Formats: sequence, C-alpha cells, structure tokens
Amino acid sequence: SQQGEEDPQALSIQEGENATMNCSYKTSINNLQWYRQNSGRGLVHLILIRSNEREKHSGRLRVTLDTSKKSSSLLITASRAADTASYFCATAIISSGSARQLTFGSGTQLTVLP
Amino acid sequence: DTGVSQDPRHKITKRGQNVTFRCDPISEHNRLYWYRQTLGQGPEFLTYFQNEAQLEKSRLLSNRFSAERPKGSFSTLEIQRTEQGDSAMYLCASRAGGGSNEQFFGPGTRLTVL
Repeated sequence: SQQGEEDPQALSIQEGENATMNCSYKTSINNLQWYRQNSGRGLVHLILIRSNEREKHSGRLRVTLDTSKKSSSLLITASRAADTASYFCATAIISSGSARQLTFGSGTQLTVLP
Repeated sequence: DTGVSQDPRHKITKRGQNVTFRCDPISEHNRLYWYRQTLGQGPEFLTYFQNEAQLEKSRLLSNRFSAERPKGSFSTLEIQRTEQGDSAMYLCASRAGGGSNEQFFGPGTRLTVL
C-alpha cells in the first residue's frame, strides 16, 4: 500500500512558472526523498531531506518538510518543458532493519507547456 | 543513465508462462531492491538483498515470485505461472551501504501478460 499521497495528481503550467507539489505521509520517517520519472522510464533521485531538517535546496529545487504535519513540498522554480515528468515522494521509515526500503506516493504528473 | 541496467526492457508473455528478469546494479553497491509499479501508481517494494542474502520480502511477493542474488552482484526475479495481474513495470534499484540513503533505479522491465 502507498505510504503517502501527492497533491495535486496532475499539474499543468507554462514554461517559466513555478510548480509546487505536496506530499503527505502516515508514519514516522527517517528521511523523505523526491524522485522524478519520465514516461515509461526508471526513477531519478532528485533530493533527500532528513527528518531533522526543515528545508533543503538543490539548484531550482526547494524541498520543505513538516514532520508535525507529516507533509513535504517540492518547489520547482522557473520551470522548463524538460521538467515534464511524474514526481514522487518516497519515505524511508524508521526501523530496526537495514533495508530502508522506500514507500512511494502515487505521484504528481507535471506538464510544462512551452 | 544511473548505472543500473535491467534486461529485458520489455517482455510479453502468455498467461501461465514463466518469466525471468535480470538486474545488474552499480558494482560497488551491496544493497539491491526490487519494486513493482502499475500504471498511474508509485513503485511498491517487493524484496531486498544485502550482498547475496535476501533479508526482506513484501507480502506482495506471492509464492509464484522468487528472487536471487547468487554472488552478491546481479539479481534475477522469476515469476512462475504468470497471471494477467502480474502485468506491471518491474524496477530494480541499488544503493551503497553505510549511511547512504539514495537509491539508483534501473530503467525497468515492462511485463505484459496476455
């Protein structure tokens, strides 16, 4: 079962605009990661934020984490047509095992129109 | 290209047939994961290897599924007596040990069961 839910499910914006995607999750986490997936392809890691961090930046990406609300957001600034993809948040839960398997949300399909 | 390869990229089979997929992780990575992704959903964890040991299995992994990583390098996922519900993208990911959390995904194998 999916750990989290992304909101919105689909987002369509013009090139140059900012895109914001939200993710909610259910259990206590070790870290939260955002991945990108182009149609029919594998996932590419974008950014990781640890449970004791509140905000992180990487290039045009900004991620926030609110553990009290069990939510995260991904902001892509100055979007480009090449940013068109599905974006997933994934959580690694706190456990005694070493697996640290990721539990993914259902994704946001972002379309950036030229 | 993340450095993780999967073969084949596409597989079409008839219901009841057996299929086997292969994953070659990044060579220095001793952790390997298999996930399954259906259309419009995020990936779901199937199983995890640390070196050659299969340490965790999801309850999604029915007894028709078996995975191996005989020498702690490449891994295979076999599905016996395939069913139409097995149609999905099968993704492999690897990560380094220690404190690393980022998983590197392969391009996936898309299975279609007719």
